[in-house]
Amino acid sequence: AAGVIQSPRHLIKEKRETATLKCYPIPRHDTVYWYQQGPGQDPQFLISFYEKMQSDKGSIPDRFSAQQFSDYHSELNMSSLELGDSALYFCASGVAGRNIQYFGAGTRLSVL
Amino acid sequence: AQSVTQPDIHITVSEGASLELRCNYSYGATPYLFWYVQSPGQGLQLLLKYFSGDTLVQGIKGFEAEFKRSQSSFNLRKPSVHWSDAAEYFCAVGNNAGNMLTFGGGTRLMVKP
Repeated sequence: AAGVIQSPRHLIKEKRETATLKCYPIPRHDTVYWYQQGPGQDPQFLISFYEKMQSDKGSIPDRFSAQQFSDYHSELNMSSLELGDSALYFCASGVAGRNIQYFGAGTRLSVL
Repeated sequence: AQSVTQPDIHITVSEGASLELRCNYSYGATPYLFWYVQSPGQGLQLLLKYFSGDTLVQGIKGFEAEFKRSQSSFNLRKPSVHWSDAAEYFCAVGNNAGNMLTFGGGTRLMVKP
């Protein structure tokens, strides 16, 4: 069965650079969620989208932005990267109303 | 605000032994509860979920969990652990809008041969 696809799997950036993470949800899923998992930490909710509209917002820094496109894929844009942004970024997808989130394998971002 | 506590950071069990991972939650309404497993460098795989109904839920890989409202707990159990079960286990609670999950700190399970 198709799963959530995230790209790239690994990304290395310098401080103050920008990064774009992509997420392709499971086909026919209309909702996308983004989470950040720091080293040794539990995943923290960043933001979610339903039908291309932002549906909820968590602890997402102002330097980050995200959107969901007409084909339901989503991109997380991160600017002015800081060392503390080094983390595993997960995308999850689901169907609105079913309350189940299916996670991708994550993108590991390292900021040097 | 919703929150999840997993009291045990590390647990080591022998292969073939039984397992119980503890999870306590705080949520104002009827919670949506989940257990996810994360192998090193991998994503989060859903083991099982509780929304309503029977308080004992069965999941994949032989896991089960019991919802106890009086104790605000949702403990994960497995009767006989296999070496491949070594991983990090996260308990999570979802809000009733289904928009975000709040995770516990995770329990790292190690399995002795």
